[in-house]
Amino acid sequence: DAGITQSPRHKVTETGTPVTLRCHQTENHRYMYWYRQDPGHGLRLIHYSYGVKDTDKGEVSDGYSVSRSKTEDFLLTLESATSSQTSVYFCATKGQGATNYGYTFGSGTRLTVV
Amino acid sequence: GQQLNQSPQSMFIQEGEDVSMNCTSSSIFNTWLWYKQDPGEGPVLLIALYKAGELTSNGRLTAQFGITRKDSFLNISASIPSDVGIYFCAGPSGTSYGKLTFGQGTILTVHP
Repeated sequence: DAGITQSPRHKVTETGTPVTLRCHQTENHRYMYWYRQDPGHGLRLIHYSYGVKDTDKGEVSDGYSVSRSKTEDFLLTLESATSSQTSVYFCATKGQGATNYGYTFGSGTRLTVV
Repeated sequence: GQQLNQSPQSMFIQEGEDVSMNCTSSSIFNTWLWYKQDPGEGPVLLIALYKAGELTSNGRLTAQFGITRKDSFLNISASIPSDVGIYFCAGPSGTSYGKLTFGQGTILTVHP
């Protein structure tokens, strides 16, 4: 089984609709992150989690919310999708250790808001 | 917030050529990381650097942690077609929770 599974892999949605992206890990990692990737911007942190029910905002959190009810699952919700949220979304996890920055990334979700 | 600037933004090279790219920051970093993203996949960690001046190799890849702690360099020797992808530098964002700030990426194309 893959360490991190993102679902769906592709989604097209209409402006104004809510959308939830799922990240599921089998690594038992404490830390989980949602990034978005846009040309010219690299990867930008949306939200992150440092434990079950412990989450915080990243640098581009407006319009997004997250939830983590189990170690394995980290959900990203777009409350009311806008065209500016068209992007590729990556989930990443990290194990313990202050200097361990070896993220494991999922394969991404390509979201198109029309 | 912290920003990392990568250059060049893109490179088109012939197979067998050497490649150099760099990453600069206005802030000091205590750790530098280089990731590679293959088309359609998530990034994968290539090299991690923890000390100013450190030079670390991973096969044909060599990365250096600049002595000012504000820059890092990645070299790829004798490029092959599978080197194609996007290369990202990254550094810790803040001091807790393992957050990373990423550069904009360098897109590498290798012509056979």
